Amino acid sequence: GDSVTQKQGQVTLSEDDFLFINCTYSTTTYPTLLWYVQYLGQGPQLLLKVTTANNKGISRGFEATYDKGTTSFHLQKASVQESDSAVYFCALVDITGNTGKLIFGLGTTLQVQP
Amino acid sequence: VTLLEQNPRWRLVPRGQAVNLRCILKNSQYPWMSWYQQDLQKQLQWLFTLRSPGDKEVKSLPGADYLATRVTDTELRLQVANMSQGRTLYCTCSADIGRADTGQLYFGEGSKLTVL
Repeated sequence: GDSVTQKQGQVTLSEDDFLFINCTYSTTTYPTLLWYVQYLGQGPQLLLKVTTANNKGISRGFEATYDKGTTSFHLQKASVQESDSAVYFCALVDITGNTGKLIFGLGTTLQVQP
Repeated sequence: VTLLEQNPRWRLVPRGQAVNLRCILKNSQYPWMSWYQQDLQKQLQWLFTLRSPGDKEVKSLPGADYLATRVTDTELRLQVANMSQGRTLYCTCSADIGRADTGQLYFGEGSKLTVL
């Protein structure tokens, strides 16, 4: 079945560091790909999404490119802030008939030190 | 203003007892509502999506059994039963606020369940 892989369980950075979170996916189709962010004590919230291969999604300084060649959707940010500390989930839309169903990666916890 | 209100936010569950969770949608223009479970390792797993009042579904996963009901256009319920002793999990509801299958979900803040 479809799956999403995030290899990094935890990333620790200092403010102004460059962020890179790895995400790869496995499907038989070209799904919509998304990044969700979950702050402490809150539900996940949509950070960005890309529906078309080779396009880039950009939001709040974060960006991710839908690379169908490498089946990747890595998340990047040029300069992180302490307020970016959260759990980041890569996800894809499941199109097998269940509207509202996303398949999530295991999440990457980002800790940004001042 | 939050779009989804979940209650209770936290519940201690005596072993062997079921617990009932509610999710209230503040704007009925978003019909597709779902439940997700999230474990302590933060892994998010889809459970159900229910569209219409009267819809019901059941599912058994390792560690818990679930019964979801779409009560009204604005209320979704989840009964969680047979949770494993010592387990903690979060149940979070969501509403699809984009066009169908765009993945644009709004999530509630979740209900934390801990089995004694």
